[in-house]
Amino acid sequence: EPEVTQTPSHQVTQMGQEVILRCVPISNHLYFYWYRQILGQKVEFLVSFYNNEISEKSEIFDDQFSVERPDGSNFTLKIRSTKLEDSAMYFCASSVENYGYTFGSGTRLTVV
Amino acid sequence: EDQVTQSPEALRLQEGESSSLNCSYTVSGLRGLFWYRQDPGKGPEFLFTLYSAGEEKEKERLKATLTKKESFLHITAPKPEDSATYLCAVQARNTDKLIFGTGTRLQVFP
Repeated sequence: EPEVTQTPSHQVTQMGQEVILRCVPISNHLYFYWYRQILGQKVEFLVSFYNNEISEKSEIFDDQFSVERPDGSNFTLKIRSTKLEDSAMYFCASSVENYGYTFGSGTRLTVV
Repeated sequence: EDQVTQSPEALRLQEGESSSLNCSYTVSGLRGLFWYRQDPGKGPEFLFTLYSAGEEKEKERLKATLTKKESFLHITAPKPEDSATYLCAVQARNTDKLIFGTGTRLQVFP
């Protein structure tokens, strides 16, 4: 069964450093998403991406965040200057149409 | 404001003891209601999408139903491998995002 692949599974970074989280969506999917889940809290929407541009973003997705689809297969989330409160599980998802997502297994980001 | 409330927060069942999980929602025009299963340290795994009141879907021991205000996930004769957190999410029309509830943590013991 096709799956969304995320790397790394766990990343530890120092506060203020830049991190890039990587995702390989399912190959025939057209819509891509990032969500995050702070420990013990709800899964929260960050951003959606379609046709090489952001289609929707939440208030969480401020200027510190950016997304890119650099080569037609990867989909990345960059956090420019990490804060302690950015520590969370980050999930990538993809879909054929913009509903009914398939999620990846996540990247656990720990900011120290 | 669109929101999702799930109950109970946690549920312990003996193997074979059927029960239901509740998801109450308010949304400005429902596009779809989704049920996911999440195992510890993993991403949400898709179970069902429901689109309109009265709709029902089944998969093995799970059955999801939908009304205009809530959805139920019925678990019939659960097994220990059904232990997980079950997440409910809604998507409104004209938006990409899913709004999740906090989940119900289900434990099924032998």
